Amino acid sequence: GENVEQHPSTLSVQEGDSAVIKCTYSDSASNYFPWYKQELGKRPQLIIDIRSNVGEKKDQRIAVTLNKTAKHFSLHITETQPEDSAVYFCAVNTGTASKLTFGTGTRLQVTL
Amino acid sequence: ETGVTQSPTHLIKTRGQQVTLRCSSQSGHNTVSWYQQALGQGPQFIFQYYREEENGRGNFPPRFSGLQFPNYSSELNVNALELDDSALYLCASSLVTHFSTDTQYFGPGTRLTVL
Repeated sequence: GENVEQHPSTLSVQEGDSAVIKCTYSDSASNYFPWYKQELGKRPQLIIDIRSNVGEKKDQRIAVTLNKTAKHFSLHITETQPEDSAVYFCAVNTGTASKLTFGTGTRLQVTL
Repeated sequence: ETGVTQSPTHLIKTRGQQVTLRCSSQSGHNTVSWYQQALGQGPQFIFQYYREEENGRGNFPPRFSGLQFPNYSSELNVNALELDDSALYLCASSLVTHFSTDTQYFGPGTRLTVL
């Protein structure tokens, strides 16, 4: 089955700095790559997603890049703010059942 | 916030008991997926329901079963509860057409504790 690795597991940055989280996947047929933000005790919230026919997507301070050849994709957050502190999960869709395989998560802490 | 709702919010059961969790999908969505999220881990796919039929299943035993109703809401049933079943159970709804990949929106989850 699909295997998704996510790094780093924890990331601490100062307010205003950039944060980058990377994920690799194993199934070359994977075609959809969402990123979710989960605050403590709350539901995962979709923050950005990218499909396999696109190499990069940006939404204000958040961007995702996809390298299909290398089978990895990354989340970039610029000008980080304290409210960006949360656990971030990458996910990969495998097959037609819209089954998402999640990474192990990155705990991002933005310090003042 | 998404329009996906789940009930109950919290539940405490003992080993061997059975539990039913409920999910109402977002308006306009026709597919519900269920995930199990253990503490400190990412969600694990249990199964998905599309047009009232199971449409894909993860590595979970048959004692995990589900239903989808004509209004697209769904239930997750777990029989013979084990201690390891303690987790946050999330449902996610999406609109699937021609079995294409679509964005999944999560509900708030049900926290199940098995004693």
